[in-house]
Amino acid sequence: GEEVAQTPKHLVRGEGQKAKLYCAPIKGHSYVFWYQQVLKNEFKFLISFQNENVFDETGMPKERFSAKCLPNSPCSLEIQATKLEDSAVYFCASSQLKGGELFFGEGSRLTVL
Amino acid sequence: AQRVTQPEKLLSVFKGAPVELKCNYSYSGSPELFWYVQYSRQRLQLLLRHISRESIKGFTADLNKGETSFHLKKPFAQEEDSAMYYCALRDRSGTYKYIFGTGTRLKVLA
Repeated sequence: GEEVAQTPKHLVRGEGQKAKLYCAPIKGHSYVFWYQQVLKNEFKFLISFQNENVFDETGMPKERFSAKCLPNSPCSLEIQATKLEDSAVYFCASSQLKGGELFFGEGSRLTVL
Repeated sequence: AQRVTQPEKLLSVFKGAPVELKCNYSYSGSPELFWYVQYSRQRLQLLLRHISRESIKGFTADLNKGETSFHLKKPFAQEEDSAMYYCALRDRSGTYKYIFGTGTRLKVLA
């Protein structure tokens, strides 16, 4: 597609439940980035992929968070056993080249109650 | 540590007045700096990057390595400039991840 597509727009989960977010990068873009924005503050880098390979996962919490980018499927970010502090907007961005311009999705708002 | 600081959460100016959105960074190495903008109900999008040294929508930003700053400027603000502006630094150490500031909301008053 011509734009990065993120689903769902909004997701509400009870504490302890699983949350899964999806991102379809722009066709032809090899790099995908996930960012977390809590309370409209700074974007916290989580993880990046080069095609289906993890490129940089230094921002991923060691427990509960996982992400995948499989061929011919949207990328996904999954949070097991959500906590209140996971409430945030999760942004996905893609770029064509390593170090290229980032194109952002509209974000997925996760609310953990 | 790599960091981007935008000291102002909110900046209000009158239409036609000059605008300067401040951005300071800390980075060990040669940085690559960007400004991203998010207009109301739109996606975050690239406004300009320091390496291209271009003016976009009347905005310019000069990288000052001595002051570790990359302030965004426009001589005459327009109402349509009202938006959220994020300064970002790209890590060139190999991972190419972007480090964003906390953003400044610009409000241009009629």
